[in-house]
Amino acid sequence: ETGVTQTPRHLVMGMTNKKSLKCEQHLGHNAMYWYKQSAKKPLELMFVYSLEERVENNSVPSRFSPECPNSSHLFLHLHTLQPEDSALYLCASSQDAGGSDEAFFGQGTRLTVV
Amino acid sequence: AQKVTQAQTEISVVEKEDVTLDCVYETRDTTYYLFWYKQPPSGELVFLIRRNSFDEQNEISGRYSWNFQKSTSSFNFTITASQVVDSAVYFCALSEFQGAQKLVFGQGTRLTINP
Repeated sequence: ETGVTQTPRHLVMGMTNKKSLKCEQHLGHNAMYWYKQSAKKPLELMFVYSLEERVENNSVPSRFSPECPNSSHLFLHLHTLQPEDSALYLCASSQDAGGSDEAFFGQGTRLTVV
Repeated sequence: AQKVTQAQTEISVVEKEDVTLDCVYETRDTTYYLFWYKQPPSGELVFLIRRNSFDEQNEISGRYSWNFQKSTSSFNFTITASQVVDSAVYFCALSEFQGAQKLVFGQGTRLTINP
């Protein structure tokens, strides 16, 4: 299996829907991340989890709600999104949450909000 | 605040040409890490290199080489004898030395290698 797996790969949702993005890592890492990649903005860090505890919340609107039930799984729960939330959402993991650690990325979920 | 600038939005070259991707960064930290990642069409970012701010030695890995110059806050990436498979979006990123990893990315450079 690939190191970091994200599902679904593509998602179209209405503004009133509730959906969840899933990320699973098979690398034995202790830290996991959510990044947002929009068409016209640099990759933005959203959340950092280290040993299942959230250590960073980068001023993300509450309509995005992360969940890390264990060190291998990370979810991003979505509700009442806006069209500007359409983007590629990338999950990553690293051995630990230190600044030097190489991050391994999944292939992303392409989200379209209609 | 930290910032990474990749001024070249798109570059297109013919196969076998050498190409350099520029990266300029800003940080108030005296210690930090710099990274390059490659994003092929499949979407995932692939790690290429990490350099810490203590180490200004240039690095070569096959056809890839990196030039880190702290004096000009630059961390440029050169591909020698480019190949079509090198076509991708390349990102330069900066991270704090300590604490939670918070990669700050540049806008990325879309590199197209034409046969």
